[in-house]
Amino acid sequence: DAGVIQSPRHEVTEMGQEVTLRCKPISGHNSLFWYRQTMMRGLELLIYFNNNVPIDDSGMPEDRFSAKMPNASFSTLKIQPSEPRDSAVYFCASSFELADNEQFFGPGTRLTVL
Amino acid sequence: DAKTTQPNSMESNEEEPVHLPCNHSTISGTDYIHWYRQLPSQGPEYVIHGLTSNVNNRMASLAIAEDRKSSTLILHRATLRDAAVYYCILRDSTFGSGGSNYKLTFGKGTLLTVNP
Repeated sequence: DAGVIQSPRHEVTEMGQEVTLRCKPISGHNSLFWYRQTMMRGLELLIYFNNNVPIDDSGMPEDRFSAKMPNASFSTLKIQPSEPRDSAVYFCASSFELADNEQFFGPGTRLTVL
Repeated sequence: DAKTTQPNSMESNEEEPVHLPCNHSTISGTDYIHWYRQLPSQGPEYVIHGLTSNVNNRMASLAIAEDRKSSTLILHRATLRDAAVYYCILRDSTFGSGGSNYKLTFGKGTLLTVNP
């Protein structure tokens, strides 16, 4: 099993540019989570989906952030326009069911906005 | 959300047991106690979870106080690969308003250093 796959692993962009982070959950998993980790704020849940439907997006910081899950095997997190304060490591995680006690995390995407 | 309190850091020697404490005095009856860990430059990894009874798995043991206001993660023989940040998390198991209760809220965790 390949685990949760995230791309790119590293992204460096300039302020104002659009950034798209991608995630492929583990096959058969119905729930997908997007987290952000910074030194200042730690690990924060941004949004999560169940059966491709967004359940809770209260952690999304502002309208510049949007997430989609067009099908069970793919999700994107988009930042437009990006700002230096968006620099962080973004993790995607999946679980078999929403109520599952174990979430499987991907390796993360390290985003640097200059 | 119910909160947890963990020491910022702990140190252990290789091959010795490690007891990582967690206080959760405001825990509700429907909260599960979860432990995750994050190795350097990796995503978090599930370790163990429990509700009331002590739990064992291949990675660790979880000892839960009788009043559930505290718990302890036990690594029976620490190795260098166990050096990580360990997070104690409470997760509400009730299904409310479309599943919005199933959040994992990570705190600062405990940084475990294992000395050779």
